[in-house]
Amino acid sequence: GAVVSQHPSWVICKSGTSVKIECRSLDFQATTMFWYRQFPKQSLMLMATSNEGSKATYEQGVEKDKFLINHASLTLSTLTVTSAHPEDSSFYICSAIRDSSYYEQYFGPGTRLTVT
Amino acid sequence: DQQVKQNSPSLSVQEGRISILNCDYTNSMFDYFLWYKKYPAEGPTFLISISSIKDKNEDGRFTVFLNKSAKHLSLHIVPSQPGDSAVYFCAASSTGANSKLTFGKGITLSVRP
Repeated sequence: GAVVSQHPSWVICKSGTSVKIECRSLDFQATTMFWYRQFPKQSLMLMATSNEGSKATYEQGVEKDKFLINHASLTLSTLTVTSAHPEDSSFYICSAIRDSSYYEQYFGPGTRLTVT
Repeated sequence: DQQVKQNSPSLSVQEGRISILNCDYTNSMFDYFLWYKKYPAEGPTFLISISSIKDKNEDGRFTVFLNKSAKHLSLHIVPSQPGDSAVYFCAASSTGANSKLTFGKGITLSVRP
């Protein structure tokens, strides 16, 4: 299989605080991981591409200083939402690929973030 | 500008009948297309894919058709089952895009028992 986990599955935080979301590939080494954001009834919007050992590549319009991504190992990438605001409330999903020659991405279950 | 479009937000079909989910794209550089299935509060699950060198790919009850000239693809599910009720996303990628996928907005499929 190709299992991707995320932790936590949901989190509530206060405005101004930071929240870290973990994404792990459980049974394979992921050369590349992706972070998405999904608003209700909307598509998955790619936020950034994360490659192990290098800086993440952010999509246009995504603030890299606000959404910090660290891909420290071949099985773990983290997304930290810094100084969270209510408008950051969303469903964050990560995905991973085993090999850059494959297109299929394996998704985590997502993290529901609510900022109060 | 949406490069992958799923114009129908929802579809309702009777159990046992065929479900046809449509997807259109505008970027002629796309050469690989995927369908994902998603349940509420879960991540998408890969369903089936097709390369632009093919016009059809079949996997059990699921068949994807690609019409490159029309920049259109469709997912056929037959026979439809209540467990197929979910949101279906069409996604596309291109060689050299570093495996990045562009997603449509999704179609909510409801299969009535």
